[in-house]
Order: sequence, then structure tokens, then C-alpha cells
Amino acid sequence: EAGVTQSPTHLIKTRGQQATLRCSPISGHTSVYWYQQALGLGLQFLLWYDEGEERNRGNFPPRFSGRQFPNYSSELNVNALELEDSALYLCASSWDRDNEQFFGPGTRLTVL
Amino acid sequence: GEDVEQSLFLSVREGDSSVINCTYTDSSSTYLYWYKQEPGAGLQLLTYIFSNMDMKQDQRLTVLLNKKDKHLSLRIADTQTGDSAIYFCAEGFPSGAGSYQLTFGKGTKLSVIP
Repeated sequence: EAGVTQSPTHLIKTRGQQATLRCSPISGHTSVYWYQQALGLGLQFLLWYDEGEERNRGNFPPRFSGRQFPNYSSELNVNALELEDSALYLCASSWDRDNEQFFGPGTRLTVL
Repeated sequence: GEDVEQSLFLSVREGDSSVINCTYTDSSSTYLYWYKQEPGAGLQLLTYIFSNMDMKQDQRLTVLLNKKDKHLSLRIADTQTGDSAIYFCAEGFPSGAGSYQLTFGKGTKLSVIP
């Protein structure tokens, strides 16, 4: 069974640009979570999507947004990129009503 | 607010036991987790413990939970070089609709000396 996949592996942008990150959950999982792992800050919860809707978001500005598609894959969009947005962005998926989250390998975003 | 604290670094000799400690502040968490992150890889769930348990053992891994002190530990017996990684402690909170939101510590980098 394929695990959670993310693309691209690496992404380099400049300040002010927009970045789009993609995530495909494990087949059958309906919940997708996004986390930011910035240097020295550990993992921070960003967004949770379930059944196509945003269910919860962490303490991030509105320029961090996303969506979940009918096939349960998800996009994370970061607008007006700032240098401090440079981080590893991890996606995780889980069965609805299950506590275990399975993580993808992450997308490393570098903002120059 | 939610806060999970871990020491940043731990070095042990191959064959010794490793103990990674974690403290948390929110007693409403339902599950507590240990994840392992190897270089270039995503997070791998090692084990988790329900908040009303004191101990869980799984092969070389032993998780101890002290609810009174809000202290969680992960013991790795007979540590091997392949155990070198960053270990994250996390609390799980119900997010509604039966799912859980995780709050992570900053991770402990375990270095195993041959």
C-alpha cells in the first residue's frame, strides 16, 4: 500500500511569490493535516481538512490556505511568501475517527 | 495553552539504553505519541499511549507516562546505530468529528556512538 506522498520534494521561491504544495493521502483516508517544521521551532499544526472542508487551523495568518479535493488529495497554498516561511512542510493523513496520523516525506520550501 | 518540551540532544553508546524525556502542559490530551524522523524521511509513528495508561512496552521500546508530573519518556533498549534520528513527542487532542490534532515538541536528536 502506498504511503502519503507529497510534491514537490523541494521548492525554491522568492519573497512575495506564491507557493503551492500538494499531498496525496493513503488510499481510504479522508482526513489530511498540514504541519510546518521550521528550524528551531519544531512542528506546528497548520490546517486540517476532512471530507473536503477545512475543520481546524493553527495559529497562522490567512495567507496560508488550502483545499481538499473530492479524491481527498490536498493543496497547501502560501501567498506573499516571507523569508520565515522557509521550512519543511509535512502532510499527514488518517482515517476519519482514527487517531493515528501517517506522515509524508515533506516538501522543503526555501524562500530567498 | 498547549506546550510540549523536550531536550534537544542525546548521545548514547551502541548497546546502551536511551531515555528520551518529554513534558507537556495540557492534561486534556487523550493520546501521547512518539514519532521518529530519519534524515530525508517523513515522520514515522513509533508508538503511542492512551492518557489513562502508565506504561506500554513494544519490543525494544518502553513508554512511561507520569500523569501527575505530565512527564512522558521513551526508553530504547540495546540502542543501535540505526536508531540515530530525531524523536518527537506529541500530544493528541480531539478535534471534533472523531479526529485528533497533534501538538509536537521540538524533537530530540539521538546520536548513537559506535
